[in-house]
Amino acid sequence: GAGVSQSPSNKVTEKGKDVELRCDPISGHTALYWYRQSLGQGLEFLIYFQGNSAPDKSGLPSDRFSAERTGGSVSTLTIQRTQQEDSAVYLCASSLGGEQYFGPGTRLTVT
Amino acid sequence: AQSVTQLGSHVSVSEGALVLLRCNYSSSVPPYLFWYVQYPNQGLQLLLKYTTGATLVKGINGFEAEFKKSETSFHLTKPSAHMSDAAEYFCAVSDGPYDKIIFGKGTRLHILP
Repeated sequence: GAGVSQSPSNKVTEKGKDVELRCDPISGHTALYWYRQSLGQGLEFLIYFQGNSAPDKSGLPSDRFSAERTGGSVSTLTIQRTQQEDSAVYLCASSLGGEQYFGPGTRLTVT
Repeated sequence: AQSVTQLGSHVSVSEGALVLLRCNYSSSVPPYLFWYVQYPNQGLQLLLKYTTGATLVKGINGFEAEFKKSETSFHLTKPSAHMSDAAEYFCAVSDGPYDKIIFGKGTRLHILP
């Protein structure tokens, strides 16, 4: 079956602009996670959804970052007023409990 | 708080030699432990996981890892390295089936011909 998909695969934006990153989890997976991978910080947890609720938002680095999930399926991660330090690969994963299946990521470059 | 320490950001082994990637963790509860692999320009793929039960866990591509509670370790091994094993390997820990995963910094494995 289809895996986790993310779009866009690459995004280049100017500093100060807002960006939206999309994640389509595996059908039926109730849990959805966002992580980011950067050279300096490695792989960092951002936020976790169970259904449409986010019981753990502890990894969001600032209030410029927000995420939502609708219909227990698609999730959008929004970064407002992007900064150069936001440049990273943003990874989404979904799960039914246990193994998390990762998408290919969105590479965000802030110029 | 959970944490993962991977010893060695780069490890080089000869083709056919033993692969040993070291991982130590800290967790306040019985941990779920994982090894993920990331090939160049690809996503993360689960190699193996430990949740409960048998402490020696076998994964894909001939890899295995042993959970040693007394040493808080979860080292990854493979008896004979192949060139195709060249990748970055991440050890990770979680508190439970739905909890966030905390990753180590990663170890890049180089295979020498």
